Amino acid sequence: KAGVTQTPRYLIKTRGQQVTLSCSPISGHRSVSWYQQTPGQGLQFLFEYFSETQRNKGNFPGRFSGRQFSNSRSEMNVSTLELGDSALYLCASSPPGLHEQFFGPGTRLTVL
Amino acid sequence: AQTVTQSQPEMSVQEAETVTLSCTYDTSESDYYLFWYKQPPSRQMILVIRQEAYKQQNATENRFSVNFQKAAKSFSLKISDSQLGDAAMYFCAYRSPGSARQLTFGSGTQLTVLP
Repeated sequence: KAGVTQTPRYLIKTRGQQVTLSCSPISGHRSVSWYQQTPGQGLQFLFEYFSETQRNKGNFPGRFSGRQFSNSRSEMNVSTLELGDSALYLCASSPPGLHEQFFGPGTRLTVL
Repeated sequence: AQTVTQSQPEMSVQEAETVTLSCTYDTSESDYYLFWYKQPPSRQMILVIRQEAYKQQNATENRFSVNFQKAAKSFSLKISDSQLGDAAMYFCAYRSPGSARQLTFGSGTQLTVLP
């Protein structure tokens, strides 16, 4: 089975722009979660989607949003980028009935 | 809110030796799930081992085992016969019961394996 895939792997944007990151979960996984990883704040939960509905949301400003499609693929969007948004964005999917999450390779976002 | 603490930012171990990474957590819930993830330089997070709080038996996966002390809210990871490929950042993570899959992570322990 193919693992979680994320595109693009690397992205460079400038302040004020917006960005969309994509995540394709493992086949059969309907739950997709997003995390931000930075040296200063560590790993922080952004949001979780299940069956196209946001099930849970972390403590991030409204500039961070996401959605999930009927095929379970998910996107997250960050509008009006700030320098502090530079981070590794990780996506994870969970199989039905199990508790662990399986992570993708991440998207490295750099905001200049 | 739950918190996860990893008090050892860095650790090192000699190849073939055993090392234990510490993790403590704070929660008022009685049922939950705990995980150890490994993040090598590639940055890919890899699940190492998981433990359900309702299970008293400590989880084991090959050379990896945990020491789960529920009353003490402690969840340490033991790596036996350490290999060079074990070098990575290790994260302890907590998940509440229920349908939501949110993980709360510790700050990580950077493990170096010395040849």
